[in-house]
Amino acid sequence: QQQVKQSPQSLIVQKGGISIINCAYENTAFDYFPWYQQFPGKGPALLIAIRPDVSEKKEGRFTISFNKSAKQFSLHIMDSQPGDSATYFCAASRVTSYGKLTFGQGTILTVHP
Amino acid sequence: DAGVIQSPRHEVTEMGQEVTLRCKPISGHNSLFWYRQTMMRGLELLIYFNNNVPIDDSGMPEDRFSAKMPNASFSTLKIQPSEPRDSAVYFCAGAQGRGDTQYFGPGTRLTVL
Repeated sequence: QQQVKQSPQSLIVQKGGISIINCAYENTAFDYFPWYQQFPGKGPALLIAIRPDVSEKKEGRFTISFNKSAKQFSLHIMDSQPGDSATYFCAASRVTSYGKLTFGQGTILTVHP
Repeated sequence: DAGVIQSPRHEVTEMGQEVTLRCKPISGHNSLFWYRQTMMRGLELLIYFNNNVPIDDSGMPEDRFSAKMPNASFSTLKIQPSEPRDSAVYFCAGAQGRGDTQYFGPGTRLTVL
């Protein structure tokens, strides 16, 4: 019940295209859903996050869509750029967990010029 | 602020040797997390602390692994004795308060021969 399942494992997109990464969770106690971005040789860094009281959050070219009834959330990258090529992790946490995050398995995104 | 500091950045050791990884979190962050990242298993949470107290060490793979946080500005992860299957990148991350945003260090790449 603590798992967060992420798909696809890898994604190849042309420059200017839309990248979509999906995650599903089972624990209804989760109340915070961040996405982390990791470049080679670096630690993951927070990209964007959402709470279940809203269905969508947008920051620049990055949008999280959240479906509470389906227990799913997704990351959309509009106008994908080669500089977006990285590994993306979805995660989830709950209020009583001291900030402990349950991470998905990651998606390697490659954006071709 | 310099961000989360980890040392060493790279460690190559022989099987059976003791390895100590170090982490200095961002000042004011009272939650600290240790992760291990491999291609096969992704990003695994090993242990986390809140206000220097270990909260959950269920992710520590074996008794060969131990972690300490003697004060708010320093934590260690020790492996004794090390084995080739311990080869991975080890990250520490810090968070403030409830800890919604985790700030990762650059990681230590451990190779056990």
